[in-house]
Amino acid sequence: QKEVEQDPGPLSVPEGAIVSLNCTYSNSAFQYFMWYRQYSRKGPELLMYTYSSGNKEDGRFTAQVDKSSKYISLFIRDSQPSDSATYLCAIGTSGSRLTFGEGTQLTVNP
Amino acid sequence: DADVTQTPRNRITKTGKRIMLECSQTKGHDRMYWYRQDPGLGLRLIYYSFDVKDINKGEISDGYSVSRQAQAKFSLSLESAIPNQTALYFCATSVERGAAVDTQYFGPGTRLTVL
Repeated sequence: QKEVEQDPGPLSVPEGAIVSLNCTYSNSAFQYFMWYRQYSRKGPELLMYTYSSGNKEDGRFTAQVDKSSKYISLFIRDSQPSDSATYLCAIGTSGSRLTFGEGTQLTVNP
Repeated sequence: DADVTQTPRNRITKTGKRIMLECSQTKGHDRMYWYRQDPGLGLRLIYYSFDVKDINKGEISDGYSVSRQAQAKFSLSLESAIPNQTALYFCATSVERGAAVDTQYFGPGTRLTVL
């Protein structure tokens, strides 16, 4: 079993839709949770990062962590064509390296 | 200037050739990584280095080697390239020594095609 599993997609939505991207993980020792965004032909870049269970908002983006279920989500409200990208979850423990999910390709259609 | 640079950005080569991909960073980070990315398979770790004297294999190191020439430079070599090494390769860096969170910063990638 992989340590981090991510819904593979691809996902195609109309502009303005609410998007939900999800990952599950197997190791309860994981302590911090990140979402990276990767545009086509570019390197991944950090979008959001959180330590704790619950929600963290940044503009139209909300990262949600449920440690009891080992489940993390990224919600995008009022999605825009510029949000079209691949989204990767990444999870880690203090002092160790990140473990990445496989990524979900999102297309937001005008 | 970009914090993490990779050269070359694109490379086409033939089976059996030796190829070196180079990565340089100006972030002052200790940790450096090499990943490959294939459609449907996500990022797969090839090698990582926590400092100049510490090199570790990742999940798919066969057919690859690395050299950490300095804190700022980490090179990936394909000793004898084969077609299934055709992929997008990323270098990443993270953390100053002692930091708890491994936030990784990626370069722009090298698209390698082996014919």
